[in-house]
Amino acid sequence: ETGVTQTPRHLVMGMTNKKSLKCEQHLGHNAMYWYKQSAKKPLELMFVYNFKEQTENNSVPSRFSPECPNSSHLFLHLHTLQPEDSALYLCASSQEQGFGANEKLFFGSGTQLSVL
Amino acid sequence: QQQVKQSPQSLIVQKGGIPIINCAYENTAFDYFPWYQQFPGKGPALLIAIRPDVSEKKEGRFTISFNKSAKQFSLHIMDSQPGDSATYFCAASESSGSRLTFGEGTQLTVNP
Repeated sequence: ETGVTQTPRHLVMGMTNKKSLKCEQHLGHNAMYWYKQSAKKPLELMFVYNFKEQTENNSVPSRFSPECPNSSHLFLHLHTLQPEDSALYLCASSQEQGFGANEKLFFGSGTQLSVL
Repeated sequence: QQQVKQSPQSLIVQKGGIPIINCAYENTAFDYFPWYQQFPGKGPALLIAIRPDVSEKKEGRFTISFNKSAKQFSLHIMDSQPGDSATYFCAASESSGSRLTFGEGTQLTVNP
């Protein structure tokens, strides 16, 4: 295992539902990331937190709301999603964001989200 | 400027073959080039990475070749095995930056 755990593994939700994705890392890292993976597309960076502070929001629609209560936990709150939001959502962590931080990202196995 | 173009989209080889995956970039400030391997149902995992001060890096059966003037780099898998069947992503970043730019991915199938 990579030391990054995501739950749930699969999620089906209607467009009016509210749900949350959870990520936990046991690596002692200080930076955590949300990525969106769609078929035949590059991984899209959504949000970055460094020492619990949000440092990047890659123009993500407000129906996605991240939360980072501490350096080990990261949430992605979902509400009024669209069918095109269906994708694999990956959480990752690294030692620290900044110089050399991208040297190694540790990814979780992802949450496969289907929006009906 | 921030894109990394990866090809081919999919690749099928026989066991023992040498699949080659290519990536090209535009941003000359990129100075870190990792490759990630992703098995079905798993997240990507760092496989091997190179910096532009060398033209080649080898780790086991995996080799990165880097051509700075052409702004291209490639992954070669020697003596490929069915267990190498996975999706491979190239990526690039600036050491002073925080963001990895990924390619579109290559789905590799190694037949027995």
